[in-house]
Amino acid sequence: EAGVTQSPTHLIKTRGQQATLRCSPISGHTSVYWYQQALGLGLQFLLWYDEGEERNRGNFPPRFSGRQFPNYSSELNVNALELEDSALYLCASSWRAGTTSNQPQHFGDGTRLSIL
Amino acid sequence: AQSVAQPEDQVNVAEGNPLTVKCTYSVSGNPYLFWYVQYPNRGLQFLLKYITGDNLVKGSYGFEAEFNKSQTSFHLKKPSALVSDSALYFCAVRVGSGYSTLTFGKGTMLLVSP
Repeated sequence: EAGVTQSPTHLIKTRGQQATLRCSPISGHTSVYWYQQALGLGLQFLLWYDEGEERNRGNFPPRFSGRQFPNYSSELNVNALELEDSALYLCASSWRAGTTSNQPQHFGDGTRLSIL
Repeated sequence: AQSVAQPEDQVNVAEGNPLTVKCTYSVSGNPYLFWYVQYPNRGLQFLLKYITGDNLVKGSYGFEAEFNKSQTSFHLKKPSALVSDSALYFCAVRVGSGYSTLTFGKGTMLLVSP
């Protein structure tokens, strides 16, 4: 069974640019989560999509947005990039929201976003 | 609001010795608790979870964790550490409702010396 896949592995941008990160969940999983892992800040929850809808959002500015496609894959968009956006962005997936509470999230290996 | 505390930034243990990585939590309601491990340049791997029932939970790679409701703790343990266990360990909690999010601790680096 293929795990969660993320692309690209690395992404280098400059301040003010826009970045798009992609995630394909495990087959059968309908929930996709995005996290930011910045140095020294641990894992910060960004967004949660399930069945194409945004279910929850972390404490991040509106320039962080995303969407989920009919095949349950997802993309995270970050506009007007700032230096502090440099981080590892992790995507995770799980079974659909109503049954998710006690199910573990399965993580991809992340996209390393570097802002110059 | 829910929160997780991992009081140790780093835990050092010699190979073959038992290890403990500490975690305490705060939630309103019944907690669902998880442990994950992260190796360098990789995502998080699920180790084990506590939902209900037995307070001692067994997971992958010989790890186990003990749920203590009165102390609101969920410490990760292994009877005999391996050098290959060296990694970053995260404790996480969520409340058992449909759209609750998973809250992670800041992580504890485990270093196992030969």
